[in-house]
Amino acid sequence: SAVISQKPSRDICQRGTSLTIQCQVDSQVTMMFWYRQQPGQSLTLIATANQGSEATYESGFVIDKFPISRPNLTFSTLTVSNMSPEDSSIYLCSVHRGQATEAFFGQGTRLTVV
Amino acid sequence: GENVEQHPSTLSVQEGDSAVIKCTYSDSASNYFPWYKQELGKGPQLIIDIRSNVGEKKDQRIAVTLNKTAKHFSLHITETQPEDSAVYFCAATSGRGADGLTFGKGTHLIIQP
Repeated sequence: SAVISQKPSRDICQRGTSLTIQCQVDSQVTMMFWYRQQPGQSLTLIATANQGSEATYESGFVIDKFPISRPNLTFSTLTVSNMSPEDSSIYLCSVHRGQATEAFFGQGTRLTVV
Repeated sequence: GENVEQHPSTLSVQEGDSAVIKCTYSDSASNYFPWYKQELGKGPQLIIDIRSNVGEKKDQRIAVTLNKTAKHFSLHITETQPEDSAVYFCAATSGRGADGLTFGKGTHLIIQP
């Protein structure tokens, strides 16, 4: 398995502000994924982050709202910009180990926008 | 794109009984099907997975079956215990490594003492 650390674990933010979530992995990985889990709901893929290239966003998610950085093979950030209460969710970082398809998740960042 | 349906949304069983959760998928290119357990306040934990070249896989009290023709797969938990209470998610992907997972909506499993 992979050890994935996310920061912060939770935050309460004012609407209109932005929050950057950090994801650190204990070893180098090619692909990193960001998911959103709205209250009581399933996980939805936001984007895929490759080192050295632009992130690939899923339908319904745009770079201006969720800019992603991937400066190296062990780290990524997701920013939730210009937040509204609808952005209140758990945001999860995920990686695949090597060529295997097993996906491992961080503990998530619980965001509340007031 | 892929669409994964999961049933039931809530399942309550007596401790010691078996629990079965079912999922269907739409994309015939999907070939990797993991199951995750999520406890309150934690990220999803991979509990078992199956690839399309296998019909069944078992790990102690947990088993997964896959019917590629019908595009459905199921999670079976036997001899349920209180610590099995959690939300379980099925997922599917093409398994190319560049694709993320498409998740079902989850099943809240409640083990009654």
